[in-house]
Amino acid sequence: ETGVTQSPTHLIKTRGQQVTLRCSSQSGHNTVSWYQQALGQGPQFIFQYYREEENGRGNFPPRFSGLQFPNYSSELNVNALELDDSALYLCASSLAYGRASSYEQYFGPGTRLTVT
Amino acid sequence: QQQVKQSPQSLIVQKGGISIINCAYENTAFDYFPWYQQFPGKGPALLIAIRPDVSEKKEGRFTISFNKSAKQFSLHIMDSQPGDSATYFCAASILSGTYKYIFGTGTRLKVLA
Repeated sequence: ETGVTQSPTHLIKTRGQQVTLRCSSQSGHNTVSWYQQALGQGPQFIFQYYREEENGRGNFPPRFSGLQFPNYSSELNVNALELDDSALYLCASSLAYGRASSYEQYFGPGTRLTVT
Repeated sequence: QQQVKQSPQSLIVQKGGISIINCAYENTAFDYFPWYQQFPGKGPALLIAIRPDVSEKKEGRFTISFNKSAKQFSLHIMDSQPGDSATYFCAASILSGTYKYIFGTGTRLKVLA
């Protein structure tokens, strides 16, 4: 069984630039959630994708967008980067039955984004 | 109402001791409460989770105690080991619709050898 993988591991961008982060879900999982974890804080929910559609969104502006592909892998795109976007971005995969319920979310190692 | 409050912020325990981390919530619609362990530079790893229909769940040295009336739950680590030194996060979720996790702010645990 393959776990959740994310790429790249680290990334340095300049304010105003755009970035794309990638996530491969755990084998057999069909749902991907993205979280932002600022230093010393708990992860904050950005959005979730189920069967290639957005299935809920947290309190993040529209410049945070995502995609899920037919193989259930996912991308997180952030436009017009701001200094406060510097964080660890975590992807979590899970298996959902319909749009409701899936108990466990399994996290990847994250992508550390630094915006200068 | 969407917050999960976690305490203490940091904890130092002697090897072999019991580590206790507490969380409290307001939203009674939450129906799934996982605990995650995170080492520096790694993603959170699921430790143990509980549904509100039981008051306690034990897995190895890790136990969740759940008090539905008080809207509180806690993680107990028995026989704490230096390898348990990590940051622990509680979370809460509603298992219908978008089951996003609401995380606590984390507890940095250090177990002294």
